[in-house]
Amino acid sequence: DQQVKQNSPSLSVQEGRISILNCDYTNSMFDYFLWYKKYPAEGPTFLISISSIKDKNEDGRFTVFLNKSAKHLSLHIVPSQPGDSAVYFCVGAGSYQLTFGKGTKLSVIP
Amino acid sequence: DGGITQSPKYLFRKEGQNVTLSCEQNLNHDAMYWYRQDPGQGLRLIYYSQIVNDFQKGDIAEGYSVSREKKESFPLTVTSAQKNPTAFYLCASSPSGGAPGVVNEQFFGPGTRLTVL
Repeated sequence: DQQVKQNSPSLSVQEGRISILNCDYTNSMFDYFLWYKKYPAEGPTFLISISSIKDKNEDGRFTVFLNKSAKHLSLHIVPSQPGDSAVYFCVGAGSYQLTFGKGTKLSVIP
Repeated sequence: DGGITQSPKYLFRKEGQNVTLSCEQNLNHDAMYWYRQDPGQGLRLIYYSQIVNDFQKGDIAEGYSVSREKKESFPLTVTSAQKNPTAFYLCASSPSGGAPGVVNEQFFGPGTRLTVL
């Protein structure tokens, strides 16, 4: 039972363009959502979060949108840079536990 | 400088042997976690500890054991009972064990890749 789904295993985007990473969830009890970024053979690093009572959160080039009625969230990266190339995990959170999606590998092409 | 240390980065063991993975943090965090990542998969929770001398099973605890005798340390033992131990193991910590509505940002170590031969 996959509570957090990232249906696109990979995404390629030209440098300077917008990257949109999508995520769907089934658990209505998540209090908030996080996005983590991961490089190969390293631990994930926190990128941005959004409370379940908000519909948008912005931090520099990164914006997360939440559509609760559709149980869908997305991460927008504008403009995309080659250093953004990594695996991005969508994470649902309720109290102590984080539930990770399988990740989307983003490749930003110079 | 503060952070989470996992050692070693790569570990090889023979089938049937127990192996202990180290995780240390100097962030003064109360809560610590162990995850496992397999190729093409998200992270899955093995065990977590919200406070010293206390820990709970996560989603895939079978074949693993942990201890939390000190706030800064949370070692994971992969026992011979774990059927598929080869994986990338990640340790994390957070300031608290989490409360409803509070962002429980977890900070991750660099990981240990365990290969069982």
